[in-house]
Amino acid sequence: RKEVEQDPGPFNVPEGATVAFNCTYSNSASQSFFWYRQDCRKEPKLLMSVYSSGNEDGRFTAQLNRASQYISLLIRDSKLSDSATYLCVASGGSYIPTFGRGTSLIVHP
Amino acid sequence: GAGVSQSPRYKVAKRGQDVALRCDPISGHVSLFWYQQALGQGPEFLTYFQNEAQLDKSGLPSDRFFAERPEGSVSTLKIQRTQQEDSAVYLCASSLVGATNEKLFFGSGTQLSVL
Repeated sequence: RKEVEQDPGPFNVPEGATVAFNCTYSNSASQSFFWYRQDCRKEPKLLMSVYSSGNEDGRFTAQLNRASQYISLLIRDSKLSDSATYLCVASGGSYIPTFGRGTSLIVHP
Repeated sequence: GAGVSQSPRYKVAKRGQDVALRCDPISGHVSLFWYQQALGQGPEFLTYFQNEAQLDKSGLPSDRFFAERPEGSVSTLKIQRTQQEDSAVYLCASSLVGATNEKLFFGSGTQLSVL
């Protein structure tokens, strides 16, 4: 079982839609959580950190549920430019950030 | 440059050849990570350096893989006697001090194809 699990998708949504991704992690020692975005044939780039109280950055909202060990990412008013793979990351006591396999999002006109 | 630099961008090797992949992290970044990313998968951890010390190499798939960072800056990932299953993108990432809440800065990766 992988330490960080994500539904690979793809999620195929129209412009303007709201879409949500979930991610679960198995290492209860994990302390820090992130969402990275990876465009096709490009390197991953940080989208946002995930805080215990939940946090928002424009159209993006991240939530953390420590009891259930899952993280979510909500994207409102999807744009064509949001099409990418979204990688969930958990970082624990070993200081090694562990990545999920990514969830593919395709936003169509 | 200001970012993480990796070379070569693409590498084609014949099965059995040795390859060396280079990573030049952001200046002053203490922590350096190597990840392997197969097609359709997320990055898988290979090894981690703090300055010149290799603190974790638990992700290296076999003893054919070797990494070093002798002066605490540039790092080289070497793969001996390459096999087809080594074909992947090798990503290098650095962070300032390696704290768990730090973001990683990735290079563009080296795409290795073993024929």
